[in-house]
Amino acid sequence: GDSVTQMEGPVTLSEEAFLTINCTYTATGYPSLFWYVQYPGEGLQLLLKATKADDKGSNKGFEATYRKETTSFHLEKGSVQVSDSAVYFCALSPSGGYQKVTFGTGTKLQVIP
Amino acid sequence: DAGITQSPRHKVTETGTPVTLRCHQTENHRYMYWYRQDPGHGLRLIHYSYGVKDTDKGEVSDGYSVSRSKTEDFLLTLESATSSQTSVYFCAISVEHNEQFFGPGTRLTVL
Repeated sequence: GDSVTQMEGPVTLSEEAFLTINCTYTATGYPSLFWYVQYPGEGLQLLLKATKADDKGSNKGFEATYRKETTSFHLEKGSVQVSDSAVYFCALSPSGGYQKVTFGTGTKLQVIP
Repeated sequence: DAGITQSPRHKVTETGTPVTLRCHQTENHRYMYWYRQDPGHGLRLIHYSYGVKDTDKGEVSDGYSVSRSKTEDFLLTLESATSSQTSVYFCAISVEHNEQFFGPGTRLTVL
């Protein structure tokens, strides 16, 4: 079945450091790929998405590129801020109509001043 | 914001008691989902609904039931709560490409 593997956390970075959170997936066909962010005490929010191979999703300075050849969707940000401290979830959904979404286990990011 | 609310937001109950959690949406979305979130497990799907009175099981459905008598409401019931059901429960709806919008969550503690 479908699965998502993301790097274990927590990840601790200093403010203005470069961020990479790795995500790889297993799925048939061409799934849609997502990154969600969860701030303390809140539900998940969509951060960015890509629906086909080589698409780049971007939002709030975060980027991720849909790499079919490596089945990856790594999240990057050039300069993190304290306000980026949160838990980040990679997820996928099979293509074709409404389908269930498979989530990774989440990576906690802590940014220190 | 997809207009999703959950109630209650916090609940403490005792083992063996029934518990019902409510999810309410204001935008007439067809697909609704219940997840539980636990450390080390990410989000796991409990049940989902694809229309009024149309529901199906997810990967961790044992001990849970759901009902959807109106488009806007999706209820999750723990018939006899157990300590293993202590968790944070999230409701969600789906839009295009299965992008999901989540409610604020319900923190349930079963003593």
